[in-house]
Amino acid sequence: NAGVTQTPKFQVLKTGQSMTLQCAQDMNHNSMYWYRQDPGMGLRLIYYSASEGTTDKGEVPNGYNVSRLNKREFSLRLESAAPSQTSVYFCASSARGQGVNTEAFFGQGTRLTVV
Amino acid sequence: AQKITQTQPGMFVQEKEAVTLDCTYDTSDPSYGLFWYKQPSSGEMIFLIYQGSYDQQNATEGRYSLNFQKARKSANLVISASQLGDSAMYFCAMREPWMDSSYKLIFGSGTRLLVRP
Repeated sequence: NAGVTQTPKFQVLKTGQSMTLQCAQDMNHNSMYWYRQDPGMGLRLIYYSASEGTTDKGEVPNGYNVSRLNKREFSLRLESAAPSQTSVYFCASSARGQGVNTEAFFGQGTRLTVV
Repeated sequence: AQKITQTQPGMFVQEKEAVTLDCTYDTSDPSYGLFWYKQPSSGEMIFLIYQGSYDQQNATEGRYSLNFQKARKSANLVISASQLGDSAMYFCAMREPWMDSSYKLIFGSGTRLLVRP
């Protein structure tokens, strides 16, 4: 099983460039998430999607946009990259609701550097 | 306001000893879930253990157990018989209701655990 697949794994951008991080899951999960991880700050939620066609802002949405293309795919777009967006980005997915077997599954992460 | 607090940026433990990693949380909703994840130096996120707010018993998974004290809003992870492979970052996370029957998952800042031989 592939689980959660993120592309690319590494990316270097120049300030002002745009790019889209792709994420796809094959576990039929309703919920999908985008996080960024910075040293000493843990994982901070950028955007999440409770189901196909819905997206909501998390803790740090400024400078990002998302698209829930279908149930499998949830993309994150940086329209005009800034050095402050240098980070490791994780996509995750989970089943809906509470209880056991609702843990989030994570992609391998994307290490993004903006110069 | 910080919803998930991990007050120990770093900890050491001797191999084969037990260690407790602290986590406190803040929510006004009666229905929530608490998770612990491990992140080794390779970077992947590994799910360890889950505790639901209505669960009567503390969760256990092999050498991992969760000391859940609901009134104190704490969900500490206990690792028994530490192994060198337990050296990693550990994150506490909370899943709480958001809107329209959906949930969001938020994380603490993490604790870096180093197991000494």
